Amino acid sequence: KAGVTQTPRYLIKTRGQQVTLSCSPISGHRSVSWYQQTPGQGLQFLFEYFSETQRNKGNFPGRFSGRQFSNSRSEMNVSTLELGDSALYLCASSPTTPSYNEQFFGPGTRLTVL
Amino acid sequence: EDQVTQSPEALRLQEGESSSLNCSYTVSGLRGLFWYRQDPGKGPEFLFTLYSAGEEKEKERLKATLTKKESFLHITAPKPEDSATYLCAVQARGGADGLTFGKGTHLIIQP
Repeated sequence: KAGVTQTPRYLIKTRGQQVTLSCSPISGHRSVSWYQQTPGQGLQFLFEYFSETQRNKGNFPGRFSGRQFSNSRSEMNVSTLELGDSALYLCASSPTTPSYNEQFFGPGTRLTVL
Repeated sequence: EDQVTQSPEALRLQEGESSSLNCSYTVSGLRGLFWYRQDPGKGPEFLFTLYSAGEEKEKERLKATLTKKESFLHITAPKPEDSATYLCAVQARGGADGLTFGKGTHLIIQP
């Protein structure tokens, strides 16, 4: 069974630009969560989607948004990028929500903002 | 606000030298405490979930325990392949805010 895939794996953007990251969950999984990981703050929860609906949201500004499609694939968007948005963005999928003990993480997208 | 503090930040052990990692937490009603392992360049890998004080779980050389204020991850006779960053996370009752993670303990096991 294929794991969680994230594209692209690496991305370089400049301040003020916007970016879209993609996540394909494990087949059959309907819940997708997004996290930001930085050396200073560690792993922080962004949001969770289940059946195309946002179920939970972390404490991030409105520049961070996401969506989920009918095939459970998810995208997250960051607008007006800031230097502090440089991070590893991780996606995790699970069969149901919330089911963090059955949560499988992808390898992440490394975003660098210059 | 939920908080998770892990110590030490980094730990270097000799192969076979047992030790414990600490996770102290503050949460408004604990729904679950989670341990993950993260290898360089990879996403976290789930290890354990603990739900109530006194609970213990084991997997190979790892054993996780839980009290009302902290959790320990005991590593017995570790091997070099146990080298990784170990992350602790909590979920509050209601779970509206997802998981709150600690910053992790970077563990190195030297042969």
